[in-house]
Amino acid sequence: LAKTTQPISMDSYEGQEVNITCSHNNIATNDYITWYQQFPSQGPRFIIQGYKTKVTNEVASLFIPADRKSSTLSLPRVSLSDTAVYYCLPRGNQGGKLIFGQGTELSVKP
Amino acid sequence: DVKVTQSSRYLVKRTGEKVFLECVQDMDHENMFWYRQDPGLGLRLIYFSYDVKMKEKGDIPEGYSVSREKKERFSLILESASTNQTSMYLCASRDPTNEKLFFGSGTQLSVL
Repeated sequence: LAKTTQPISMDSYEGQEVNITCSHNNIATNDYITWYQQFPSQGPRFIIQGYKTKVTNEVASLFIPADRKSSTLSLPRVSLSDTAVYYCLPRGNQGGKLIFGQGTELSVKP
Repeated sequence: DVKVTQSSRYLVKRTGEKVFLECVQDMDHENMFWYRQDPGLGLRLIYFSYDVKMKEKGDIPEGYSVSREKKERFSLILESASTNQTSMYLCASRDPTNEKLFFGSGTQLSVL
């Protein structure tokens, strides 16, 4: 069964670039990789999605190597408001089910 | 943007009660999901539905059932609530055009 692995937690300071890497073995050829952000007491929300190489939007960048067995979410110049839990989710993980990993709890300090 | 609404933000129930958690989405999505979230355990899938009256078990279906009578509404049912079902419950629907999940704000259920 496909499984995602992310660091449980990360610490950073305001203004730094943060990179969170997710390993996803057995990802299918046509699966996209989606990242979500969750603030306390809220549901997760979509941040970014990609298939290969690099994708950038107004919030983050996503780097996916050629073998697609991992992906890295990059948050440029984080602020205190980026403190949240970040989840990666390969599409189609385990068929119709969408199984999240434990996520990465990012703490940004002043 | 897609709106996913969960009927209650906070709910307190007693052990043995039958509990209904309601979720409604406004974008005609076929796929809907129920997760529970506990500290240190991330999001765990309870049940999902890929169409009206269609459902499949997730990773932790024991003690739960679901109902999908209309496309927009997906209900999670705790047949006989127990204290170990105290948790945050999150509902989501999936946009088939881009596979994005849209979550509700969650229901914090306390079973006493």
